[in-house]
Amino acid sequence: EAQVTQNPRYLITVTGKKLTVTCSQNMNHEYMSWYRQDPGLGLRQIYYSMNVEVTDKGDVPEGYKVSRKEKRNFPLILESPSPNQTSLYFCASSPQGVGAGANVLTFGAGSRLTVL
Amino acid sequence: GIQVEQSPPDLILQEGANSTLRCNFSDSVNNLQWFHQNPWGQLINLFYIPSGTKQNGRLSATTVATERYSLLYISSSQTTDSGVYFCAVENYGGSQGNLIFGKGTKLSVKP
Repeated sequence: EAQVTQNPRYLITVTGKKLTVTCSQNMNHEYMSWYRQDPGLGLRQIYYSMNVEVTDKGDVPEGYKVSRKEKRNFPLILESPSPNQTSLYFCASSPQGVGAGANVLTFGAGSRLTVL
Repeated sequence: GIQVEQSPPDLILQEGANSTLRCNFSDSVNNLQWFHQNPWGQLINLFYIPSGTKQNGRLSATTVATERYSLLYISSSQTTDSGVYFCAVENYGGSQGNLIFGKGTKLSVKP
């Protein structure tokens, strides 16, 4: 089944304890991205990647890191989490860049992160 | 950067009613998508529609790029249509891949 898989789905952690949220897609998509969703704010893009070893900042990249060493994986790293990073996180992918043709986003199921 | 505004923010319908959701954007776009987030949080793409009109069953969408808005029509609404509807755009001439979402329209369909 074609899908985007995120782990963990739920996590409660403490301030300053490094964590990684994994994202993997099995559709050979070139484009991958991370979003956070907060009440009343919609989804905001954190980072995106047009292809392997190519990453760019979205609108809210502060406090996050990403890497794209292989096409299928795009982990989101919080080096020193803070309470303001408590949020619902979504990973998404599309075949060839969001702006190219009818390339629609496929989303993962979301990861709910709480930082105490 | 480009601004995306959705209206109304909330909408309550009786089952069987029709509705129109609007997405206004402040600059030219080369990518516009509509998404539905169901009550369990799952996000599903409904339409990729930077211009023109598309239909899929009871849903249709129209984007008038020159006037910088898009409309999502839901006909004969069902309780399963409940959730939040988002539009998202990519600014023409902006960074390819930088997708901006509106704050969404929360739809509740009552039986």
